[in-house]
Amino acid sequence: DIQLTQSPSFLSASVGDRVTITCRASQGISSYLAWYQQKPGKAPKLLIYAASTLQSGVPSRFSGSGSGTEFTLTISSLQPEDFATYYCQQLNSYPFTFGPGTKVDIK
Amino acid sequence: EVQLVESGGGLVQPGRSLRLSCAASGFTFDDYAMHWVRQAPGKGLEWVSGISWNSGSIGYADSVKGRFTISRDNAKNSLYLQMNSLRAEDTALYYCAKGRNDGGNWFDPWGQGTLVTVSS
Repeated sequence: DIQLTQSPSFLSASVGDRVTITCRASQGISSYLAWYQQKPGKAPKLLIYAASTLQSGVPSRFSGSGSGTEFTLTISSLQPEDFATYYCQQLNSYPFTFGPGTKVDIK
Repeated sequence: EVQLVESGGGLVQPGRSLRLSCAASGFTFDDYAMHWVRQAPGKGLEWVSGISWNSGSIGYADSVKGRFTISRDNAKNSLYLQMNSLRAEDTALYYCAKGRNDGGNWFDPWGQGTLVTVSS
């Protein structure tokens, strides 16, 4: 099975900060990676798919990059509504594992 | 508007069974793969199972293999998860999610979830 790690697991940042979250896969997954945002009490929401394609309706301050085993999610200028937990997920092969999550909190 | 509505959760004793349902609307159900994902209280997301549009391809997490069975009824626009031999560690909010077709099975959207509590 493909394992995903995320770093950091927790991030404290201020509005306007540039934030980068890294996701690493235990083996190559090409670009079969998605990023989701989850706010407390809500279902996850797709942000980025195919490693770097922005989901329709998602603000352009979000971007994704990477392929193979290393991927990043970047928020160029953190907004109040971006404080949430972010998960990466590999969809290269079953089981479609998720990373452990990165909680982005207000500094 | 695409809608996914889960049901069937509740309190169940260890070793017993439960069947979850996910009612889909707003899209052509039999064109898409579907998935179950769970989230234990205060924990991260765990993919549980997925099924292709025609039930020809099915996958399970190791943690549920042999105990859970995913199925779908395309005539009823419904997805199911039969959960047997339930354990305390199966306690979680169970989401269904639609898998997209555009180059990958990206999960979009998700339902609001149904809570399963396994306790004596």
